[in-house]
Amino acid sequence: GNSVTQMEGPVTLSEEAFLTINCTYTATGYPSLFWYVQYPGEGLQLLLKATKADDKGSNKGFEATYRKETTSFHLEKGSVQVSDSAVYFCALSDQGTYKYIFGTGTRLKVLA
Amino acid sequence: GAGVSQSPSNKVTEKGKDVELRCDPISGHTALYWYRQSLGQGLEFLIYFQGNSAPDKSGLPSDRFSAERTGGSVSTLTIQRTQQEDSAVYLCASSPRQGPNHNYGYTFGSGTRLTVV
Repeated sequence: GNSVTQMEGPVTLSEEAFLTINCTYTATGYPSLFWYVQYPGEGLQLLLKATKADDKGSNKGFEATYRKETTSFHLEKGSVQVSDSAVYFCALSDQGTYKYIFGTGTRLKVLA
Repeated sequence: GAGVSQSPSNKVTEKGKDVELRCDPISGHTALYWYRQSLGQGLEFLIYFQGNSAPDKSGLPSDRFSAERTGGSVSTLTIQRTQQEDSAVYLCASSPRQGPNHNYGYTFGSGTRLTVV
C-alpha cells in the first residue's frame, strides 16, 4: 500500500542554518505530494505541494522537488528562523483515492 | 465560515462516557475528513464524507466510533463508552471537491484534544 516515510526528529538548528527534512514515499500511480506544517497549538496548514514529477513546490522560503526517480520530496529552506519551529508533515494523495497518507511528522526547533 | 471550525477545543471526559466532537467546514466544501493524531504518531484517517454520505468508514477504530454529516455542512464525530486509548487530537479537514485530480489540499481545523481519564 501507499506510505510516506519521514526522517525522525527532533531536528534542532540555529537561526539562519540550512534545513533539510527528508521524505520518501511508496505509491502506485502518480500521487500528488504535500508538505503540511503544524505550529504549536494550531491545526495543520498546507505549506506547499507538487502534482507531478519534477515539479517544485515553494512557499515562505521553503522548497521541495517531486523526484520520481528517487521517490522523494525533501523539504529545504536556506535560512531558518525561530518562527519556523513547528512540526512538518509530508503527505501524498493517490490519484485514484481521496485519502491522504501522512508521514509521522518531524519536529523542528530553531534556536536564536 | 472563513476556516474549518472545531469544537470543543479541549475535552476531558471520564472513561465510559460518550463524547461528541463537532466540525464546521468551510462553506461550499463538499468533502470532509476526520483524522486522529495520537502522541508520537502520524495522522490516522478515520472517515470521509462527500456531501452527507460517507463512502469510506474503514478508518473508524471500532463500533464505538460513529460520525454523521447533515446538510452537507456540519459533521459530528461520536465516541461511545470512551476508553483511555481514545485520548488524542481529533482533526477535521475539508476540501472543495473530491475526484481523480484531487490535488487541492485539505484545510484543517485546529482540532479537539480529547483526554479520557
